[in-house]
Amino acid sequence: GNSVTQMEGPVTLSEEAFLTINCTYTATGYPSLFWYVQYPGEGLQLLLKATKADDKGSNKGFEATYRKETTSFHLEKGSVQVSDSAVYFCALITGTASKLTFGTGTRLQVTL
Amino acid sequence: GAVVSQHPSWVICKSGTSVKIECRSLDFQATTMFWYRQFPKQSLMLMATSNEGSKATYEQGVEKDKFLINHASLTLSTLTVTSAHPEDSSFYICSARDQGTTDTQYFGPGTRLTVL
Repeated sequence: GNSVTQMEGPVTLSEEAFLTINCTYTATGYPSLFWYVQYPGEGLQLLLKATKADDKGSNKGFEATYRKETTSFHLEKGSVQVSDSAVYFCALITGTASKLTFGTGTRLQVTL
Repeated sequence: GAVVSQHPSWVICKSGTSVKIECRSLDFQATTMFWYRQFPKQSLMLMATSNEGSKATYEQGVEKDKFLINHASLTLSTLTVTSAHPEDSSFYICSARDQGTTDTQYFGPGTRLTVL
């Protein structure tokens, strides 16, 4: 079956630090990969996605590259801001069922 | 674009009562909507897949008679928690898939249910 493994949090960084949140997956077929962000008290927002190997998704300074050889989709940002504090979920979909498989989420806390 | 709303955003009810949560796609048509439950500091658990005009498909372990789902139109799905108990207290989140895409889901802001 499908599964997503994320690095455990919380991750605490100072503002302007470099961010990496690791995500690896196992899946049958060729999944589409996603990063969702959840701000406190809110639902999930799609941050970025990639649908095939070597694609790079990017949005709001975040980026992630679909690495088929390492089955990874690590999230990176060069300089985080306090407003980036949230929980980040890596997820995948395979086939036409559109069922998302989520990782457990990684909480990011950015301090001044 | 691709906005999904939920109503109410939070609700408090007495044990034994029923609560209805609405999920609407505001600017696109959604043949498929999904209902998730999220416990504090945990990931989302898919409860059921809702298809417009047909019965919902429930995940293993989810009681279909307790969590009634109706998807009467391409922009509205409802989740009714029947005879709610304190253990049903949770954050319920819906998502909708744009019928023009095959993979991207757009999430609502969630509904926090507290059962006293």
